[in-house]
Amino acid sequence: QVQLVQSAAEVKRPGTAVRVSCRTSGYPFTNNDIYWVRQAAGQGLEWMGWINPNSGNSGYAQRFKGRVSLTRDIVTATAYLEFSSLRSEDTAIYYCARVGSPTSKLDSWGQGTLVTVSS
Amino acid sequence: DIQMTQSPSALSASVGDRVTITCRASQTILTYLNWYQQKPGKAPRLLIYAASSSEGGVPSRFSASGSGTHFTLTISDLRPEDFATYYCQQTYDTVITFGQGTRLDIK
Repeated sequence: QVQLVQSAAEVKRPGTAVRVSCRTSGYPFTNNDIYWVRQAAGQGLEWMGWINPNSGNSGYAQRFKGRVSLTRDIVTATAYLEFSSLRSEDTAIYYCARVGSPTSKLDSWGQGTLVTVSS
Repeated sequence: DIQMTQSPSALSASVGDRVTITCRASQTILTYLNWYQQKPGKAPRLLIYAASSSEGGVPSRFSASGSGTHFTLTISDLRPEDFATYYCQQTYDTVITFGQGTRLDIK
């Protein structure tokens, strides 16, 4: 079955960077885009960006441009989120999700990775 | 960006009740609308895609409709496991946006 397994929780200092991984299995990795979505404690869902694992092309929400980089490793079927210049307000759970058709539905999700930014 | 507004923000209901959640888009999104359920400490789960199509494995008590700017999610005969937060999501625009969520509590 389709699975997306994310890396463990991280604690980071303000101004540093974090990398979150999303290892996929159960389907051809290059067939589906991956979205990244974050959720601060007690808050709603916020879309961050997408990556096409086949081409490596990516797109970002305006507020994250310049701080977020989405990459992938086809060999290991893993997508990565790199987030730099972290601030305390970036403390959140970060999710990866597989994009399906039609309507770019998010039909499988990772379990989430808590990133805590604190001095 | 397209704004998605859900109403109500919170809702209390009893087991066996029928509830309806509304999602409005700030501009037309045709039927590029998905619904998700999220329980505390868990990732969201896809319920409905393309405004009215049920994802596999979703109980038939969940139904949805709408197009353009107005959408609804209805849950009939509420079960204890249905008490959760529900989000709508538009994928019409290249910038994806979610509604703010509707928390469904047990009365």
